[in-house]
Amino acid sequence: SQQGEEDPQALSIQEGENATMNCSYKTSINNLQWYRQNSGRGLVHLILIRSNEREKHSGRLRVTLDTSKKSSSLLITASRAADTASYFCATDANAGGTSYGKLTFGQGTILTVHP
Amino acid sequence: GAVVSQHPSWVICKSGTSVKIECRSLDFQATTMFWYRQFPKQSLMLMATSNEGSKATYEQGVEKDKFLINHASLTLSTLTVTSAHPEDSSFYICSARVYRLAGDNEQFFGPGTRLTVL
Repeated sequence: SQQGEEDPQALSIQEGENATMNCSYKTSINNLQWYRQNSGRGLVHLILIRSNEREKHSGRLRVTLDTSKKSSSLLITASRAADTASYFCATDANAGGTSYGKLTFGQGTILTVHP
Repeated sequence: GAVVSQHPSWVICKSGTSVKIECRSLDFQATTMFWYRQFPKQSLMLMATSNEGSKATYEQGVEKDKFLINHASLTLSTLTVTSAHPEDSSFYICSARVYRLAGDNEQFFGPGTRLTVL
């Protein structure tokens, strides 16, 4: 089964609306990270939330983490056409307190923001 | 800071040839780099972990003799796809690990290399 599953797979909204993407995972984690990828490009790190944190903000981004439900959400407020991209969550698994440094990526959400 | 580059950005080669992809950390030293593969409209799949001065650690199902990884310095890791075949056509992305605080593992990604094998 897949660590870091996301929903929805695709999201289409109008400029100015908020976009919410969800991520679920299966194992214990050190932290969870969100990345953005424009088509055919590399990934851009958006935000990292540690396992002992519940919410984090960065500009128009708000990330929540519920370790009891093993889930996270990414909210983009007041979306812009330039936010159109794929968004991935990635988990840094915790194995007995040791971070092996490997990230496991979710399947991603394709966000389209219409002007 | 924390910029990672890849070269080339795209490459087209004939079946049976070998292709080398370079991953460099430009403004920091990276003892650990990672190589991922991404097929169209899919997520990133970790291929291997590249450690400076030691052998790479490959994920299950990844052929180490086909995907040769060399991490010769603290700023350079290379991935060589040997005897490439059309099914190796993919987007290859590297990342470098940056420690900011104890326990954190933030990775910075290169722009990727599009490999097309004819």
